[in-house]
Amino acid sequence: EDKVVQSPLSLVVHEGDTVTLNCSYEVTNFRSLLWYKQEKKAPTFLFMLTSSGIEKKSGRLSSILDKKELFSILNITATQTGDSAVYLCALKANAGKSTFGDGTTLTVKP
Amino acid sequence: EPEVTQTPSHQVTQMGQEVILRCVPISNHLYFYWYRQILGQKVEFLVSFYNNEISEKSEIFDDQFSVERPDGSNFTLKIRSTKLEDSAMYFCASIGEGSYNEQFFGPGTRLTVL
Repeated sequence: EDKVVQSPLSLVVHEGDTVTLNCSYEVTNFRSLLWYKQEKKAPTFLFMLTSSGIEKKSGRLSSILDKKELFSILNITATQTGDSAVYLCALKANAGKSTFGDGTTLTVKP
Repeated sequence: EPEVTQTPSHQVTQMGQEVILRCVPISNHLYFYWYRQILGQKVEFLVSFYNNEISEKSEIFDDQFSVERPDGSNFTLKIRSTKLEDSAMYFCASIGEGSYNEQFFGPGTRLTVL
């Protein structure tokens, strides 16, 4: 069975800090790994990673995938209070099913 | 910007009743999904739908659940006889051609079963 494990489960930092969120996985057939940000309601898409070693970047957020060691990290630099959210990692094994991790709850204090 | 919409935003029902949750995916999208999230728990895959048929479903998606795309725009999730444990947030999502593209989530329907 496909498995996604995120760590830490929660994290409290101060504005300006840099954080690294981890996602490790086990999968039979890898298609893609996705990162989402979930605030009050629906997850919003951040990144989709399909290839090892290629960093995806969007502003202060970046992510990279290691398909050999079966993990991905999400980095957020110069954190702001608006970054406070649950960050979800999801594994897509085919065009159908996505397996989500439990999420990392990030709290950024002023 | 195109978006996935869901109605209603909140549905309250009595145990044993049937509910239909409605979604309008982004118009040119081809892959459709339902997920649920029980309060405080992880997002769980329910079902994926492509080319007018279910392409994959999870063990949660038992005979009480069904999906339909009745008119080429709406995508519905029906729960025939709701149970207390069906109380959750239900998200619809869609992906455009190629299925490697971004998955857009709708805002969700909160289902409360009393």
